[in-house]
Amino acid sequence: RKEVEQDPGPFNVPEGATVAFNCTYSNSASQSFFWYRQDCRKEPKLLMSVYSSGNEDGRFTAQLNRASQYISLLIRDSKLSDSATYLCVVNMGGGGNKLTFGTGTQLKVEL
Amino acid sequence: GAVVSQHPSWVICKSGTSVKIECRSLDFQATTMFWYRQFPKQSLMLMATSNEGSKATYEQGVEKDKFLINHASLTLSTLTVTSAHPEDSSFYICSARNINYGYTFGSGTRLTVV
Repeated sequence: RKEVEQDPGPFNVPEGATVAFNCTYSNSASQSFFWYRQDCRKEPKLLMSVYSSGNEDGRFTAQLNRASQYISLLIRDSKLSDSATYLCVVNMGGGGNKLTFGTGTQLKVEL
Repeated sequence: GAVVSQHPSWVICKSGTSVKIECRSLDFQATTMFWYRQFPKQSLMLMATSNEGSKATYEQGVEKDKFLINHASLTLSTLTVTSAHPEDSSFYICSARNINYGYTFGSGTRLTVV
């Protein structure tokens, strides 16, 4: 089982659609959780951290379920500029503050 | 905000030669630097973690003699790919961690070994 698992997609959605991405992680002792966005041939950029209470940033909502070891990202009112790969990222603790990346879910928003 | 400058952004080299990649934290001190590699359509895989002034910690399966990491100051870490081969062609990305800014990524280096 991969440490951080995501559906690779691609998700092709029309502009204005709502789309949800899911992620599961294997280590129950994981400490912190993030969603990153990566554009083609670029470095990942932090989209948002994910908190146990759930958090929202504009059109983006992230949820964390520690019991199920499950993280989600909801994008409302998709824009063309949202097209990218979304990476689920987990700090699994254990010292070193290393991040473990999922393989990413590709999103294509179309006219 | 925190910026990590990574150079070069791309490099083409011949098999058997060595390539050095630099990462500099421009406006903060990076206590820890992480080096990742990303093959096409795959995720970022951590290669090693370096702390300023000490030896790097390599992930399982990463050859420390092939991928030399130096973190001589709080603002500079380098990765040298020694005796590069075509299978080393990849996208290499550094990330600096600072207690105030969290994780900041460099813009990556696309290495092609011919």
